[in-house]
Amino acid sequence: LAKTTQPISMDSYEGQEVNITCSHNNIATNDYITWYQQFPSQGPRFIIQGYKTKVTNEVASLFIPADRKSSTLSLPRVSLSDTAVYYCLRLPKTGANNLFFGTGTRLTVIP
Amino acid sequence: EAGVAQSPRYKIIEKRQSVAFWCNPISGHATLYWYQQILGQGPKLLIQFQNNGVVDDSQLPKDRFSAERLKGVDSTLKIQPAKLEDSAVYLCASSLTGPNTEAFFGQGTRLTVV
Repeated sequence: LAKTTQPISMDSYEGQEVNITCSHNNIATNDYITWYQQFPSQGPRFIIQGYKTKVTNEVASLFIPADRKSSTLSLPRVSLSDTAVYYCLRLPKTGANNLFFGTGTRLTVIP
Repeated sequence: EAGVAQSPRYKIIEKRQSVAFWCNPISGHATLYWYQQILGQGPKLLIQFQNNGVVDDSQLPKDRFSAERLKGVDSTLKIQPAKLEDSAVYLCASSLTGPNTEAFFGQGTRLTVV
């Protein structure tokens, strides 16, 4: 199974920028990187995905360097409602099949 | 757009009993997944359907778990007989077929086996 490595937990104060780094040394040429967010008692929710360089949407930014062995999810000015588990996954070119979630990063935003 | 619907939301059963979960994916999504999420862990894929055919069931404990998607739309996941270690949240997800597609998850069914 295609695995990634990310910190188990992170804490941040409200209003700060949070960067969560994910390692994927053996990423395949055609794999994308995708991030999901999961709140307690809910299913995971797609946040962002990218292949190389930088992708930005209304929720987050995703930075992927040229070697693609790692990626960084950036959440600008977090609020208490951003407290959740964030999963970094490799997305095969064939689509959202056999996503391997791992344990994710538990982000706690502190008032 | 309606999301992925699952029922029931909660279920408590005794060990060795049977239980079934139901999932209605987003309209038009050919691919449907069942995941098991044990407390403190990430979701683990149990089975993936493409329309009414099984794509991947390599992690499904087939001696007690079964799933079907007879008409290529709704799906049911059954456990018979249940064990204590089956206590988990069972998540259903669906997606379009094709490259770089995202999966949409339901809220899940929380199963407690006592």
